[in-house]
Amino acid sequence: NAGVTQTPKFRVLKTGQSMTLLCAQDMNHEYMYWYRQDPGMGLRLIHYSVGEGTTAKGEVPDGYNVSRLKKQNFLLGLESAAPSQTSVYFCASSYHLAGDVENIQYFGAGTRLSVL
Amino acid sequence: GENVEQHPSTLSVQEGDSAVIKCTYSDSASNYFPWYKQELGKRPQLIIDIRSNVGEKKDQRIAVTLNKTAKHFSLHITETQPEDSAVYFCAALFTSGTYKYIFGTGTRLKVLA
Repeated sequence: NAGVTQTPKFRVLKTGQSMTLLCAQDMNHEYMYWYRQDPGMGLRLIHYSVGEGTTAKGEVPDGYNVSRLKKQNFLLGLESAAPSQTSVYFCASSYHLAGDVENIQYFGAGTRLSVL
Repeated sequence: GENVEQHPSTLSVQEGDSAVIKCTYSDSASNYFPWYKQELGKRPQLIIDIRSNVGEKKDQRIAVTLNKTAKHFSLHITETQPEDSAVYFCAALFTSGTYKYIFGTGTRLKVLA
């Protein structure tokens, strides 16, 4: 049981390049999230998914796209990277039941991305 | 809108003293409030959480209090130790249609030996 796994751990891009960050979870969670973390700004929600085949925008979605083709995987894409996207990216997953029995969010180890 | 405010942004305490971090949230429908500790270069780790049907929860030196009427909740760390030094984040679960966690901007806690 690996929990939430992110790949890659580090990446350096040049402005205008594209890349995809992969998040995988083995807990059968319906919900998956992508956050970015910048100094002094906490964790900001980029996009999230409430189930296979569905995605929704979070607080800072511009410049990113996501896909959830399989329940266990949530991909974050940067089509044309910009220096402003230099950040640490965290993926998370969670499971929710009526009556709030389970709301805990599980985080991946993060991806450190630098855009030059 | 969906918002969580966290104060202070930095906090220095002497070893053995208590530390208190406060958060306020915007949506009265929020019903789950986790606290995370993040060490440098690591992922956020859940240290304690509270649900809206209780006012206080304790786990050894850590406690969280919730005031739903005022829409604020606080983290209390007693008998602080150097290993408590980290960044702490509060969050609130917003449940309008879907489940979204909104985080505070973090508090950097320094415990001085």
